[in-house]
Amino acid sequence: DQQVKQNSPSLSVQEGRISILNCDYTNSMFDYFLWYKKYPAEGPTFLISISSIKDKNEDGRFTVFLNKSAKHLSLHIVPSQPGDSAVYFCAASAQAAGNKLTFGGGTRVLVKP
Amino acid sequence: KAGVTQTPRYLIKTRGQQVTLSCSPISGHRSVSWYQQTPGQGLQFLFEYFSETQRNKGNFPGRFSGRQFSNSRSEMNVSTLELGDSALYLCASSRIGALDSPLHFGNGTRLTVT
Repeated sequence: DQQVKQNSPSLSVQEGRISILNCDYTNSMFDYFLWYKKYPAEGPTFLISISSIKDKNEDGRFTVFLNKSAKHLSLHIVPSQPGDSAVYFCAASAQAAGNKLTFGGGTRVLVKP
Repeated sequence: KAGVTQTPRYLIKTRGQQVTLSCSPISGHRSVSWYQQTPGQGLQFLFEYFSETQRNKGNFPGRFSGRQFSNSRSEMNVSTLELGDSALYLCASSRIGALDSPLHFGNGTRLTVT
């Protein structure tokens, strides 16, 4: 039972354009969502998060949108840079579950110069 | 500030053996979580320790265990290794909980079981 899904395994985008990564979840108890970036041979690096009381959070080039009714979140990267090429994971947690994160399967992003 | 440190980086073991992995969290972080990453199952939560107590546990068999010491350092142990235990094991730390501060991951220990 996959509670967090990233339906696009890969995404290719031109440098300077927008990258949009999508994530769907099924568990209505999730109330905190995070995006992580992972390079090969390294651990995931935290990018941005959003709590369920908000529908948008921005941090520099990264914006996360949350649509609770659709149980859907997305990450926008604008403008995309070659260094953004990595695997991106969305993750969700429920307040009652402490630090237990449920991860999506990841989306591999390739930013072409 | 030093990041999360995991040792060793690479490990090769034989089926039936046991293995212990080590994790040193970021200074001041009291919560340590462990995750397993495999190509087939992705990133899966193993367990979380906070103030030396297991606070949460994932759906893994009892062969997987862990502990946390008074200095917040943590170890995880896998006994009677199986081929399917080959994976990247990631440790993550945070000050208190994911809602207060996001998890910071180490670079992992790559375990290969032959």
